[in-house]
Amino acid sequence: QLVLTQSPSASAPLGASVKLTCTLSSGHSSYAIAWHQQQPEKGPRYLMKINSDGSHTKGDGIPDRFSGSSSGAERYLTISSLQSGDEADYYCQTWGPDIRVFGGGTKLTVL
Amino acid sequence: EVQLLESGGGLVQPGGSLRLSCAASGFAFSSYAMSWVRQAPGKGLEWVSTISGSGGSTNNADPVKGRFTTSRDNSKKTLYLQMTSLRDEDAATYYCAKMTRPYYDGSAYYCDYWGQGTLVTVSS
Repeated sequence: QLVLTQSPSASAPLGASVKLTCTLSSGHSSYAIAWHQQQPEKGPRYLMKINSDGSHTKGDGIPDRFSGSSSGAERYLTISSLQSGDEADYYCQTWGPDIRVFGGGTKLTVL
Repeated sequence: EVQLLESGGGLVQPGGSLRLSCAASGFAFSSYAMSWVRQAPGKGLEWVSTISGSGGSTNNADPVKGRFTTSRDNSKKTLYLQMTSLRDEDAATYYCAKMTRPYYDGSAYYCDYWGQGTLVTVSS
């Protein structure tokens, strides 16, 4: 079964960096994923796609502070120089022939 | 600029029906699949349905199979979600999202633009 696992919460100080993790279920470690950001009371926003080799494709207007990487079944989103506006929920997404899957989301708090 | 504008949400009784719409602009609508994704209050994102660019193929999540129908009118650049036999657990904000390809072909197939959502409340 295709499942994405995310930690429920993360936090880091203003100006610091944070690395969020999305883990693919067993047998699906070659899958690409997409990261989405949802700021409070807003619709989601696509950030980037990350392939199993760590290469990534960003959405329109996504700043260089956002980067992606990969290791095994884990896909990462790293945000550097944290700003207050980065405080949001972050979701990963993957896909199969007849299904789209979202992770449970990580709530990022900027301290 | 890609824009997606949902409408049609509101209050409906359990067992009732509702039709949501999503008006699209800023891209070649018929060239891309579209999805509905919902979010219950305080919860995460849940995929509901995807329809191919031509409208000839749809996939639905298990919780809505047999109750929800997704369709599209490419001449009007509008996506629809017909919801019937609504349950308490269907209460959520419903988002429409543009997919990266016209249909699944084994390549990257994810949401790259999102609307702002429309709220559906199910209550007697």
